[in-house]
Amino acid sequence: GQQLNQSPQSMFIQEGEDVSMNCTSSSIFNTWLWYKQDPGEGPVLLIALYKAGELTSNGRLTAQFGITRKDSFLNISASIPSDVGIYFCAGRLNPNFGNEKLTFGTGTRLTIIP
Amino acid sequence: EPEVTQTPSHQVTQMGQEVILRCVPISNHLYFYWYRQILGQKVEFLVSFYNNEISEKSEIFDDQFSVERPDGSNFTLKIRSTKLEDSAMYFCASSDGGGGTEAFFGQGTRLTVV
Repeated sequence: GQQLNQSPQSMFIQEGEDVSMNCTSSSIFNTWLWYKQDPGEGPVLLIALYKAGELTSNGRLTAQFGITRKDSFLNISASIPSDVGIYFCAGRLNPNFGNEKLTFGTGTRLTIIP
Repeated sequence: EPEVTQTPSHQVTQMGQEVILRCVPISNHLYFYWYRQILGQKVEFLVSFYNNEISEKSEIFDDQFSVERPDGSNFTLKIRSTKLEDSAMYFCASSDGGGGTEAFFGQGTRLTVV
């Protein structure tokens, strides 16, 4: 099946630092999504990307849909304590909205060192 | 803001017992999903449901699993005879499926099989 690998697996940073993580796939996806999961909670959508090459921002978060459609990255600028959590990328084959399943990545755990 | 709600938040059950996990999707959504997340692992697709029938299911969703929309508001996942390896967080999600928004996830039900 399709595999989405995220790197790094975990990150330990100081408050105020910028963060960069990425997601690579063995096959093409036509939609890329980035989610954040807090402990004991469900995934919350951060950014959605629908076109190859698209660069989208949401506040301090910026994500890009790779031109090959096999990768995406997420950047967080000037990290704050509430950024702590696990970040998942997710891909969908269908470029349209609909009921097609999401394939989730392996996750990047972000920890902020006091 | 509308949300997907799941009950119970935590369920402990003995191996071999049947469990029903309940979800109330967002009221105007048409597509419903179940995902699961084994502790420390990625989120995995189980099943999608539309127009009172299963649209797609994964290899995880075997004969021990079933889904139902018994009334206009609830969406349930039943596991007939639980196994130890069914222990996981189970997330319900819903979407409107059109040119609207991506799926919203519930906060999850932690299932522990002992």
